[in-house]
Amino acid sequence: KAGVTQTPRYLIKTRGQQVTLSCSPISGHRSVSWYQQTPGQGLQFLFEYFSETQRNKGNFPGRFSGRQFSNSRSEMNVSTLELGDSALYLCASSLSGNTIYFGEGSWLTVV
Amino acid sequence: DAKTTQPTSMDCAEGRAANLPCNHSTISGNEYVYWYRQIHSQGPQYIIHGLKNNETNEMASLIITEDRKSSTLILPHATLRDTAVYYCIVRVDRDSNYQLIWGAGTKLIIKP
Repeated sequence: KAGVTQTPRYLIKTRGQQVTLSCSPISGHRSVSWYQQTPGQGLQFLFEYFSETQRNKGNFPGRFSGRQFSNSRSEMNVSTLELGDSALYLCASSLSGNTIYFGEGSWLTVV
Repeated sequence: DAKTTQPTSMDCAEGRAANLPCNHSTISGNEYVYWYRQIHSQGPQYIIHGLKNNETNEMASLIITEDRKSSTLILPHATLRDTAVYYCIVRVDRDSNYQLIWGAGTKLIIKP
């Protein structure tokens, strides 16, 4: 069974630009959650989607948004990028939100 | 919110059992304890979870104290590949939605 797949693996963006990250969950998993990981702040919860609906949200500004498609694949978008947005963005999937399984993450560098 | 406290770092000799402690003194009765580990530059890997009873799987054992205020993750025969940051996490139920509250983790170094 394939694991959680995230693309792209690495990317570099310029301040002010926007970025879209993609996540394909484990087959059959309907819940997808997103996390941001930085050296200073650790792992922080962004949001969770279940059956195309956002059902949980962390404390991030509105520049961070996401969506989930009918096939459970998810995307997250960050607009007007800031230097502090440089981080590892992790996607995780689960059957119903309990035990979650992570992808390898997308490394975003903002210059 | 229940939070966890872990040692910042630990060493363990290869082949020995690695015992990683975690304090979660404010945990509520229906909140699970989860353990994940993260090897550098990779996504966190699920290890084990439990509520009240001790749990064992192919990777590790989880010992939870009777008062549920602390737990210990045991890697029975540590190898060099077990070097990673280990996170003890409490799963909080909010309006039937689950959220994992992550701490800073323990950096475990396995030495040859």
